[in-house]
Amino acid sequence: QVQLQESGPGLVKPSETLSLTCTVSGYSISSGYYWGWIRQPPGKGLEWIGSIYHSGSTYYNPSLKSRVTISVDTSKNHFSLKLSSVTAADTAVYYCARVRIAVAGTGYFDYWGQGTLVTVSS
Amino acid sequence: DIQMTQSPSSVSASVGDRVTITCRASQGISSWLAWYQQKPGKAPKLLIYAASSLQSGVPSRFSGSGSGADFTLTISSLQPEDFATYYCQQANSFLSFGQGTKVEIK
Repeated sequence: QVQLQESGPGLVKPSETLSLTCTVSGYSISSGYYWGWIRQPPGKGLEWIGSIYHSGSTYYNPSLKSRVTISVDTSKNHFSLKLSSVTAADTAVYYCARVRIAVAGTGYFDYWGQGTLVTVSS
Repeated sequence: DIQMTQSPSSVSASVGDRVTITCRASQGISSWLAWYQQKPGKAPKLLIYAASSLQSGVPSRFSGSGSGADFTLTISSLQPEDFATYYCQQANSFLSFGQGTKVEIK
């Protein structure tokens, strides 16, 4: 059974960098699929942040691209998110998920982590 | 960017009702569309992918249809566990979600 678990600080100061890691169990990242990050501000809808392939190829939401870096460490079977220059608008539950590939760089999220709330506040 | 618009934003229904939610894309996306169910405090769950394919383990009362720019999610007979928020998501160009439709108890 594929399982994903997000980890990282729950509180980040404005202007600093948010860093999260998603550890995958039950499946080897190196075997394929894209792996993605999605966020959900409290009481609001879902926003795709970006996705990465095990080779390191990345796809980012154009609205966040200038601040986002997603990386993968196949030896640890995890992938990571960095979001720089955060503001209160970046306060959200952050989910990691596996992406069933539809077309290059895109697809459907078939396995999700439980999500982690990150609050941006001084 | 492709914008996804769902309607209605919320619907009140009773157990046993047939419920239909629509999703419109700002441009054609072929059949690259998924539907998710989200309950409070939980991660979304994939129900339908490729517009009409049922994800493994999802009850057959859920069905999806459409292609191009207009899509529909139908729950044929609403069950108590189906009260939740539903999102559509396009996978044609980058990824984007609709704003959600909340299915509430009438």
